[in-house]
Amino acid sequence: EAGVTQFPSHSVIEKGQTVTLRCDPISGHDNLYWYRRVMGKEIKFLLHFVKESKQDESGMPNNRFLAERTGGTYSTLKVQPAELEDSGVYFCASSQDHEQYFGPGTRLTVT
Amino acid sequence: AQSVTQLGSHVSVSEGALVLLRCNYSSSVPPYLFWYVQYPNQGLQLLLKYTSAATLVKGINGFEAEFKKSETSFHLTKPSAHMSDAAEYFCAVTSGGYNKLIFGAGTRLAVHP
Repeated sequence: EAGVTQFPSHSVIEKGQTVTLRCDPISGHDNLYWYRRVMGKEIKFLLHFVKESKQDESGMPNNRFLAERTGGTYSTLKVQPAELEDSGVYFCASSQDHEQYFGPGTRLTVT
Repeated sequence: AQSVTQLGSHVSVSEGALVLLRCNYSSSVPPYLFWYVQYPNQGLQLLLKYTSAATLVKGINGFEAEFKKSETSFHLTKPSAHMSDAAEYFCAVTSGGYNKLIFGAGTRLAVHP
């Protein structure tokens, strides 16, 4: 069974540019989560999808972040325009119960 | 509100020594508790979980943790450290179901010969 995959593994962009991160959950998992770890800080929740619906987006930092999950399969997280403080590792996780399975993360560097 | 505190951002042990990584939580509802491990350049891997069953939980790679409600703790232990245990460890809490995980800041474990 394939695990959670994320693309790209690394992204370096300039301030003001747009970046889109992708997450493919484990097949059949209705729940999909995005988390972020800014350097030196703890991993923080961004949002939670159940199928294609946003269940909880209380962790989204501001309206520069847009998450979608069309068709209830893969999800994208777009940052537009990117700011320096958006740098960090973005993790995606999926679950079918209380156990969340994490992807390897996307390391985003905004210069 | 829920929170997690991991005491010690860095822990160093000798190979063969006891590993003890501390985790204290705060939760207004019965918690579900998890320990995850992250090896270099990899994602988070679940080590073990407490979901209101047995208070002593055994996980992968010889790790175990004990849920102590009176102390609001969920410390991770391993009797004998291996070099391959060097990684970053995260304690997390949730109120159960499909809710978000609240993570501690992480503890980086170093194992030296």
